[in-house]
Amino acid sequence: ILNVEQSPQSLHVQEGDSTNFTCSFPSSNFYALHWYRWETAKSPEALFVMTLNGDEKKKGRISATLNTKEGYSYLYIKGSQPEDSATYLCAFMEYGNKLVFGAGTILRVKS
Amino acid sequence: DGGITQSPKYLFRKEGQNVTLSCEQNLNHDAMYWYRQDPGQGLRLIYYSQIVNDFQKGDIAEGYSVSREKKESFPLTVTSAQKNPTAFYLCASSILGTSTDTQYFGPGTRLTVL
Repeated sequence: ILNVEQSPQSLHVQEGDSTNFTCSFPSSNFYALHWYRWETAKSPEALFVMTLNGDEKKKGRISATLNTKEGYSYLYIKGSQPEDSATYLCAFMEYGNKLVFGAGTILRVKS
Repeated sequence: DGGITQSPKYLFRKEGQNVTLSCEQNLNHDAMYWYRQDPGQGLRLIYYSQIVNDFQKGDIAEGYSVSREKKESFPLTVTSAQKNPTAFYLCASSILGTSTDTQYFGPGTRLTVL
């Protein structure tokens, strides 16, 4: 079973702070890297699907980068707001169209 | 509204009993998935199906069974052979099940074995 690591495990920031977290995945047999946001009492929702080395995607204040050669992706949140509080999951797509999820990074933004 | 529904939200089961978790989608998606979440761990794939009447084992299929008789429905049975069934179960679907397809998740079922 492949290993997808996310760090840090949790993060507490003040409103207005910018923050970032990391997803590490196997650098061989890469198909795609997914990012999801999971708010408490809700279902996980897709943020990004990334496929190309060097890819950068942006959605409002959230952006993500991808390095498939070294096997990592960064998620950035600019000017964090309390509504950004959630668990952020990354998932590596391996052959066979199966997603392998990391344990997630829990973000708490204090106002 | 299009989406994925799971029922029930909470389920309690006595040891030795089989129990079936429901998952229905009206998104017209071909692929459906079952995941399990345990504290401190990522979502782990139990079973997935990319077409009606066909499904594949995921990483932790032992003690579980599924069926896919209709496109809209993918029920999961937790059998008495599953040694540690207490967990949160999430169902998901995607358009075709390809590597770039976003997965859409249901609200989950929390199963507790008493």
